[in-house]
Amino acid sequence: QKEVEQNSGPLSVPEGAIASLNCTYSDRGSQSFFWYRQYSGKSPELIMFIYSNGDKEDGRFTAQLNKASQYVSLLIRDSQPSDSATYLCAVMKEYGNKLVFGAGTILRVKS
Amino acid sequence: GAVVSQHPSWVICKSGTSVKIECRSLDFQATTMFWYRQFPKQSLMLMATSNEGSKATYEQGVEKDKFLINHASLTLSTLTVTSAHPEDSSFYICSARVGHLKDGYTFGSGTRLTVV
Repeated sequence: QKEVEQNSGPLSVPEGAIASLNCTYSDRGSQSFFWYRQYSGKSPELIMFIYSNGDKEDGRFTAQLNKASQYVSLLIRDSQPSDSATYLCAVMKEYGNKLVFGAGTILRVKS
Repeated sequence: GAVVSQHPSWVICKSGTSVKIECRSLDFQATTMFWYRQFPKQSLMLMATSNEGSKATYEQGVEKDKFLINHASLTLSTLTVTSAHPEDSSFYICSARVGHLKDGYTFGSGTRLTVV
């Protein structure tokens, strides 16, 4: 079992729709979770950080965390073509400050 | 925001030669630098963690004699790929935690290594 699992996609949504990206993790001791966006050939950029159960909103982005189910998601409202990228879920290991990344979900927003 | 400057952006080298990649924290002190490798269409795989003034910690399966990491100062960490082979061709990225966890980890711009 992979430590962090994501559906590789591609996930295709029309412009203006809500994109829903999901991630599960295996280490129950994990406390901190990140969503990064990566454009092709570029390095990842931070989108969201969440550590408490529930929802966290930042502009068009909402992260949702359910530690009991070991599940974290990212919702992108009013999706734009510029949101087309690979979204990486990252989980901080309980010890060592290391981030473990999922394989990423490719999102395509069609205009 | 905090910036990690990574050089070179891309490099082509001959098989058997060595390549050095540098990562500098420009406006903060990075006591710890993480080095990742990313193959096409795959995720980032942590190779090693470098700590200023001490030996790097390598992930399982990563050859420490092949991937030499030096973290001699609080603003500079280097990765040297020794005796490079075509299978070492990949995207190498460094990352550092800036400060508060909410700010995440900032990444260098990456180095595309092609070994011919």
